[in-house]
Amino acid sequence: NAGVTQTPKFQVLKTGQSMTLQCAQDMNHEYMSWYRQDPGMGLRLIHYSVGAGITDQGEVPNGYNVSRSTTEDFPLRLLSAAPSQTSVYFCASRKTETQYFGPGTRLLVL
Amino acid sequence: DAKTTQPNSMESNEEEPVHLPCNHSTISGTDYIHWYRQLPSQGPEYVIHGLTSNVNNRMASLAIAEDRKSSTLILHRATLRDAAVYYCILRDVPPGAGSYQLTFGKGTKLSVIP
Repeated sequence: NAGVTQTPKFQVLKTGQSMTLQCAQDMNHEYMSWYRQDPGMGLRLIHYSVGAGITDQGEVPNGYNVSRSTTEDFPLRLLSAAPSQTSVYFCASRKTETQYFGPGTRLLVL
Repeated sequence: DAKTTQPNSMESNEEEPVHLPCNHSTISGTDYIHWYRQLPSQGPEYVIHGLTSNVNNRMASLAIAEDRKSSTLILHRATLRDAAVYYCILRDVPPGAGSYQLTFGKGTKLSVIP
């Protein structure tokens, strides 16, 4: 049971480039979400999904797209990276009251 | 949104109990109180949650005030591995949302002194 996995661990992008942050969970959880964490700050919710085919926006969705074609996977897409998107990104999945987080992806946008 | 207030930082000696306070004076009757912690360079991990009664698990205890306007996370015997940022979070279901969300504040940074 791997829990929540994220790839890559670290990525450097140039402004305007696009990329997809991968997230997968093997616990058959319906709810999945993406957060970003800036230095010295708490986590802010970007997008979430309550099941395959259903996604919704969180607190800071601008500049990010998501889709949920399977229960296991919930990728986060940056269409045109900006320096303001430099952050650590965490994916999470949840069943009932316990949320499980992945190890994070550190993204640097130059 | 129901919000929480926590001290920015706390210190504890190793092997002593730690009481981490959280105020949530605007809590509603159906809000669960969640605690998560984040070790350095890691994702947050679940610690404990409760509604009205005190709760215990292998990691910690949660003491909830009778009026539910405050709670305390209790680590019975702090170890160096417990040094982390501890987040007290109230469940938040925005209007029209399909599910509740967890809104993280800045939390309390706990330092454990050997």
